[in-house]
Amino acid sequence: QVQLQESGPGLVKPSETLSLTCGVSGYSISSGYYWGWIRQPPGKGLEYIASIYHSGTTSYNPSLKSRVTISLDTSKNHFSLELSSVTAADTAVYYCAREGQWLRGSFDYWGQGTLVTVSS
Amino acid sequence: QSVLTQPPSVSAAPGQKVTISCSGSTSNIGNNYVSWYQQFPGTAPKLLIYDNNKRPSGIPDRFSGSKSGTSATLGITGLQTGDEADYYCGTWDSSLRAVVFGGGTKLTVL
Repeated sequence: QVQLQESGPGLVKPSETLSLTCGVSGYSISSGYYWGWIRQPPGKGLEYIASIYHSGTTSYNPSLKSRVTISLDTSKNHFSLELSSVTAADTAVYYCAREGQWLRGSFDYWGQGTLVTVSS
Repeated sequence: QSVLTQPPSVSAAPGQKVTISCSGSTSNIGNNYVSWYQQFPGTAPKLLIYDNNKRPSGIPDRFSGSKSGTSATLGITGLQTGDEADYYCGTWDSSLRAVVFGGGTKLTVL
């Protein structure tokens, strides 16, 4: 059974960098699939952030691309997200998920989500 | 504003059928596969439909998906109170080169 678990600080100060890691169990991220991040501001809908393929190919939400870095660590079987220069608008529940490599936009396994609040 | 357009809310009585629409364009729905997600408050979204009309293992056949041109539809038959949730459509946008989601639809089972 594939399982994903987000980890990282729950509170980030404005202008700093948000860093999250998604640990994956039950599947080797080097074997295939895209691995992605999606966020959901309180009371709002889903927003795609970025995905990374097992080969390292990436895709980004154009509105966030300049501030986002996504990376893989196959030795630890996890992938990470960095979002720089955060503001209160970046406060959200952040989810990591596995995305179909031939079915982009199809996320079949999700982490439970982690709330990140941007506040001084 | 979401790239994909969904109605904010729909409602129907228990046992009835409801449909949720998702409208896009040729750069997304028109030329890519559509997925649908169900989300209960405080929980992660769950994949309901992928590849326009396929159900993952464990999803009851009360849930169905279809696509025509630049629009997609999620259908739910035999509505149950336990189906009350938010529903999202999603797909790849070939112009943006990114995944896009609809704004979500809140289903109320009256």
